[in-house]
Amino acid sequence: EAGVAQSPRYKIIEKRQSVAFWCNPISGHATLYWYQQILGQGPKLLIQFQNNGVVDDSQLPKDRFSAERLKGVDSTLKIQPAKLEDSAVYLCASSLVVRQAIPGELFFGEGSRLTVL
Amino acid sequence: AQSVTQPDIHITVSEGASLELRCNYSYGATPYLFWYVQSPGQGLQLLLKYFSGDTLVQGIKGFEAEFKRSQSSFNLRKPSVHWSDAAEYFCAVSFTGGGNKLTFGTGTQLKVEL
Repeated sequence: EAGVAQSPRYKIIEKRQSVAFWCNPISGHATLYWYQQILGQGPKLLIQFQNNGVVDDSQLPKDRFSAERLKGVDSTLKIQPAKLEDSAVYLCASSLVVRQAIPGELFFGEGSRLTVL
Repeated sequence: AQSVTQPDIHITVSEGASLELRCNYSYGATPYLFWYVQSPGQGLQLLLKYFSGDTLVQGIKGFEAEFKRSQSSFNLRKPSVHWSDAAEYFCAVSFTGGGNKLTFGTGTQLKVEL
């Protein structure tokens, strides 16, 4: 079974430039997550989709970050304009349909490492 | 809001020695608890999880964890560490109605000396 695919693995940009990350979840996984992992910290949820609808984007800096999941499959996370503090690893994860009673296992991709100079 | 504390940033153990990584959580009701491992340049892999029932849970790679409600803890253990266990370990918490949202601790970096 193929895992969660992410690209690019590494990206270096200058501040105020834009960047986009792509994620393809495990086939059949309705729920998709983007996490931000800053060096020395645990991952922090940015946005959660179920199919192509947003479930939670409360911690997404909406003035500069945007994400979409067209057709309920793959997803793109965009940052525009980037700031120095956006330097982090952006992890995509997917899971089967979320049931409120019992959380499902999240499967993570290898991440996209962003360096903002 | 729920939170997770991993008090040890770095831990070094000798190969073959036992290991315990600490995790404390803050949440009013019974949480769902997880341990993930992250090797360099890799994504996170689930080691084990606790939802309910037996408070001692077994995971992959010979790891186990014990849920202690009275101490709000979910410590990860392994009786004999292998060099390949060197990685970063994250404790995470979720809860009923949380929509599968995980809150992670800051992680513990494990170094294994040969």
